[in-house]
Amino acid sequence: DAGITQSPRHKVTETGTPVTLRCHQTENHRYMYWYRQDPGHGLRLIHYSYGVKDTDKGEVSDGYSVSRSKTEDFLLTLESATSSQTSVYFCAIPADMGTGELFFGEGSRLTVL
Amino acid sequence: QQQVKQSPQSLIVQKGGIPIINCAYENTAFDYFPWYQQFPGKGPALLIAIRPDVSEKKEGRFTISFNKSAKQFSLHIMDSQPGDSATYFCAASTNSGGYQKVTFGTGTKLQVIP
Repeated sequence: DAGITQSPRHKVTETGTPVTLRCHQTENHRYMYWYRQDPGHGLRLIHYSYGVKDTDKGEVSDGYSVSRSKTEDFLLTLESATSSQTSVYFCAIPADMGTGELFFGEGSRLTVL
Repeated sequence: QQQVKQSPQSLIVQKGGIPIINCAYENTAFDYFPWYQQFPGKGPALLIAIRPDVSEKKEGRFTISFNKSAKQFSLHIMDSQPGDSATYFCAASTNSGGYQKVTFGTGTKLQVIP
């Protein structure tokens, strides 16, 4: 399996607090992605990175920021968490750049009260 | 805007039955169509995939049928087993500014009853 580790795996927080989720990969891959998964919506891309310090927005980026200071780490930050950001967050890396096949981490379940 | 429409939302079949999950897309620029399987508490995992120049692909008990003119594709699971109970996502990808942009369907929760 691709080496993707997400932390924390579970987090409960209160509205208005900052939250940072971490994705760590051991595959030395240039591209990394953050998705959120919600019932009825499937998986939606939040942000992606195509290299150290190179990031771009996905389809649901409002309220989220990301950073990539090292190839292996991609951080997702909610500056001021809202209840609408309660979700399961998945980090992914490409399995095959020519196809869109992805390896996913095991997810981080975030509950914003 | 949902570019990949997936149905049904949920599906219950008896062991040995053949569940069918359908997906439809609009963007003709999509050039790769993977399916993912997800068990509770786990991340989605690639199951099988197809390119639009192929009408059918089989891998074990899993078959993708692809209809390019109708812009539809479907997943069939032959001789379904309780261990196949999971959520299935179809997806479609296209090259977008140097990376493969992947759009997912909304998922189908499959339950296979013994």
